[in-house]
Amino acid sequence: QSVLTQPASVSGSPGQSITISCTGTSTDVGRYNYVSWYQQHPGGAPKLMIYDVTNRPSGVSNRFSGSKSGNTASLTISGLQAEDEADYYCSSYTSSTPLEVFGGGTKLTVL
Amino acid sequence: EVQLLESGGGLVQPGGSLRLSCGASGFIFSDYAMGWVRQAPGKGLEWVSAIRGSADKTFYADSVKGRFTISRDNSKNTLFLQVDSLRAEDTAVYYCAKVGYCGGGTCRRLENWGQGTQVTVSS
Repeated sequence: QSVLTQPASVSGSPGQSITISCTGTSTDVGRYNYVSWYQQHPGGAPKLMIYDVTNRPSGVSNRFSGSKSGNTASLTISGLQAEDEADYYCSSYTSSTPLEVFGGGTKLTVL
Repeated sequence: EVQLLESGGGLVQPGGSLRLSCGASGFIFSDYAMGWVRQAPGKGLEWVSAIRGSADKTFYADSVKGRFTISRDNSKNTLFLQVDSLRAEDTAVYYCAKVGYCGGGTCRRLENWGQGTQVTVSS
């Protein structure tokens, strides 16, 4: 069972916006601005999409954005494209372990 | 361009051992912490270990502490994970990753990932 809670699946049509939530507690998401999001296509390696809640690494499309409110972080993808179909994982720094912990992952389907 | 290439995975019996390797290129290897993250079949991600650039400090998840040992050879730009006393639940793809920050007793942000190496523990 994952420390962070994500919906198992979300879906949207091309051009729409979707949001994936990541709910933690006051010892991880709620306490620190160290939430990351990773994208993983089937059979592929994860790719960092967002770090420190809102920051995008170089080369990541500005259609991807992150935010946080209380114990819940969110990843929003605007202008949905077929290539966005993938699994998305959130992670957070936590005071209870030295390594980031992950959510269970959310499968995004582009209809 | 950052490139990470894992090797060393395979089929091993319960209680057995393997040594995973990760060759790195495209960045100054000794300047960065490195880590290993695993993904069991059909499951999510678990960060199991990390090591700082100078190898002065290592980090482990509770699930592998005492059984896995992370190390690095900065002269050869190579990261290692010695996995001992393997159990069925250690079956997973093991990814090598470049870590964005490791300090003050914690690590975070996995900036670049390799393609992974499969470890299967079965009799």
